[in-house]
Amino acid sequence: SQQGEEDPQALSIQEGENATMNCSYKTSINNLQWYRQNSGRGLVHLILIRSNEREKHSGRLRVTLDTSKKSSSLLITASRAADTASYFCATGLRNTGGFKTIFGAGTRLFVKA
Amino acid sequence: DADVTQTPRNRITKTGKRIMLECSQTKGHDRMYWYRQDPGLGLRLIYYSFDVKDINKGEISDGYSVSRQAQAKFSLSLESAIPNQTALYFCATSDPGTGYYGYTFGSGTRLTVV
Repeated sequence: SQQGEEDPQALSIQEGENATMNCSYKTSINNLQWYRQNSGRGLVHLILIRSNEREKHSGRLRVTLDTSKKSSSLLITASRAADTASYFCATGLRNTGGFKTIFGAGTRLFVKA
Repeated sequence: DADVTQTPRNRITKTGKRIMLECSQTKGHDRMYWYRQDPGLGLRLIYYSFDVKDINKGEISDGYSVSRQAQAKFSLSLESAIPNQTALYFCATSDPGTGYYGYTFGSGTRLTVV
């Protein structure tokens, strides 16, 4: 499996509901980032959580990090049709080769109006 | 203007042709990256550069080459394009020296090799 794996691969919800996406990883990290990608467009950075942090908020986004379980979750509250996109987690690692960021395969979120 | 600009946005080329994808940035970031995205596989790193004199191979560099012409410009070349290089290509920048590790991405180049 990859360093960062999102779960589920796809999620379909009604507008107004909350959406939760999970990311699991294998090795120790320096930080974990979440990105959004609208269809065929570039990724947009949403939020970064450092390894010594447990929770961060940004607007309707809430990210948690559990380093003991090597997992993170992204919660989007009161979802809107405009939240329809793919969401990627990216793990920032520091190793002998320097600092690197590894992206997962993403969760496709569809919010029905 | 976008912070990270990629040209062209779309390109169809024939097998065996040489093609260059260009990336320019106005972020003032030292680090630049080229990624490839295939359906279901997320992003895979092709090459990265931490400054003008520093070029490094990523996980899938075979068949690709890069040139860092200036701090703001980083181009990706396919010397002899093949159909399995059909993908969405992204350029990105970062500046961890500021303590912030997020990436800024361009809008992508959709490349089709026929």
